[in-house]
Amino acid sequence: GQQVMQIPQYQHVQEGEDFTTYCNSSTTLSNIQWYKQRPGGHPVFLIQLVKSGEVKKQKRLTFQFGEAKKNSSLHITATQTTDVGTYFCAGPMTGANSKLTFGKGITLSVRP
Amino acid sequence: DARVTQTPRHKVTEMGQEVTMRCQPILGHNTVFWYRQTMMQGLELLAYFRNRAPLDDSGMPKDRFSAEMPDATLATLKIQPSEPRDSAVYFCASLARDSPTDTQYFGPGTRLTVL
Repeated sequence: GQQVMQIPQYQHVQEGEDFTTYCNSSTTLSNIQWYKQRPGGHPVFLIQLVKSGEVKKQKRLTFQFGEAKKNSSLHITATQTTDVGTYFCAGPMTGANSKLTFGKGITLSVRP
Repeated sequence: DARVTQTPRHKVTEMGQEVTMRCQPILGHNTVFWYRQTMMQGLELLAYFRNRAPLDDSGMPKDRFSAEMPDATLATLKIQPSEPRDSAVYFCASLARDSPTDTQYFGPGTRLTVL
C-alpha cells in the first residue's frame, strides 16, 4: 500500500539555526498536506500543496512540492522555541476522497 | 471559533472494562475520521464516516472496537473489552467535505490508559 516516509523522526537544533525536513511518498500524490502537533496537543493543519514544484511560504516556514509530486520539504529559517513540535506530512490515499496517509512525523526540539 | 470537541480528555481504566469515547464534529462537516496515535505506530486511521455512514473501518480491530455516528453531531468509538495495548491517544477529525483537498480539523484527543 501507499507509504509516506519521514526520516529522521527526531531532530534537535540550536535556536536561530535553519532546519529542513523531507517527506517521501511511494506513489505520486494529487496533493500533500502538512500538519503540526505541539507537545500534548493535536495535529493542526499548516498548508496544502497541489501543483508540481509549488512553493508556499508562511512567515519563516517554506514548503515545497517536488516536481514529480512524490516528495515535499519543509524549511524553517532561524528556528525559534515556538517551532517545537512534531511536523507531519500526509497525502491522499486514493485521490478520490479525504482519507490521508500520514508520515510518522519529525519531532523538532529547539535549544534556547 | 468552530472546533471539534472530544470527551473525555483523559480516561484511565482497567483491562476488560468498556470504554466509550465521544466526538462532536464541527457543525456542518459531513466527514469524520477516528485515529489512534502511539509512539510506535504514529497516526493510524481506525474509521471513516461520510454523512454518518461508515465507509471504512478496516483499521479497527473488529472483535473489540466499534464506531458509530448516531447523529450528525455525535460520533462514538467503543472498546469492549479494553486491553493494555489499547493505551494511546484517540483523535477525531472532521472535514467540511469528503474531498482530498479539504483540511482535516482534529479534536483535542482522548488519552486512554488501560491498566
